[in-house]
Amino acid sequence: EILLTQSPGTLSLSPGERGTLSCRASESVRSNYLAWYQQKPGQAPRLLIYAASSRVTGIPDRFSGSGSGTDFSLTISRLEPEDFAVYYCQQYGSSLITFGGGTKVEMK
Amino acid sequence: QVQLQESGPGLVKPSETLSLTCSVSGASVIRHYWNWIRQPPGKGLEWIGFVYDSETGTTNYNPTLQSRVTFSLDTSKNQFSLKLRSVTAADTAVYFCARGWSAGSYFPVWGQGILVTVSS
Repeated sequence: EILLTQSPGTLSLSPGERGTLSCRASESVRSNYLAWYQQKPGQAPRLLIYAASSRVTGIPDRFSGSGSGTDFSLTISRLEPEDFAVYYCQQYGSSLITFGGGTKVEMK
Repeated sequence: QVQLQESGPGLVKPSETLSLTCSVSGASVIRHYWNWIRQPPGKGLEWIGFVYDSETGTTNYNPTLQSRVTFSLDTSKNQFSLKLRSVTAADTAVYFCARGWSAGSYFPVWGQGILVTVSS
């Protein structure tokens, strides 16, 4: 099982600031098959990024993904009020799909 | 536009079987990989597994749940289902159905989720 560790657990930022979220895998993720989701209270997760850096159609370009192997990151270049939420990474390179524990982005 | 909708009891007694259905519109269950994912209250996401292809009944389950879970497809109703046996309070969660593109996949489409509480 590939364990995904997300850090920090909570990120306190102000609107307009830049945020960088980390996702570290316990072993290399095959073909960089890593996705990022945003989840707001009472809602299903929303896919933002797949294959580490490919942005889903309709997702604002302030969201970007990067990384390879075991270290990945999601960057929000300028936080908008609607971006305050919990973010999860997910690896799908192995037969057992796993998610990270999440990073909560809260308003400072 | 593909839409998914979970349905089933919101309360299940300990030791009984949790049964949920996901109704699919805008796509055929004959194609794609149909997944179940759960989220205990206030916690993270756990992938339960997928079902694919009604003819072969191909499934892949999370090993931690494999002994208790069964998925199925109903092509006549364009639905897929989950059964989780011998439930305990630890199975209390919001259960989501989601569509994947392949055996290992990200999930571009999700249902809204259904809260299932295990309690006597």
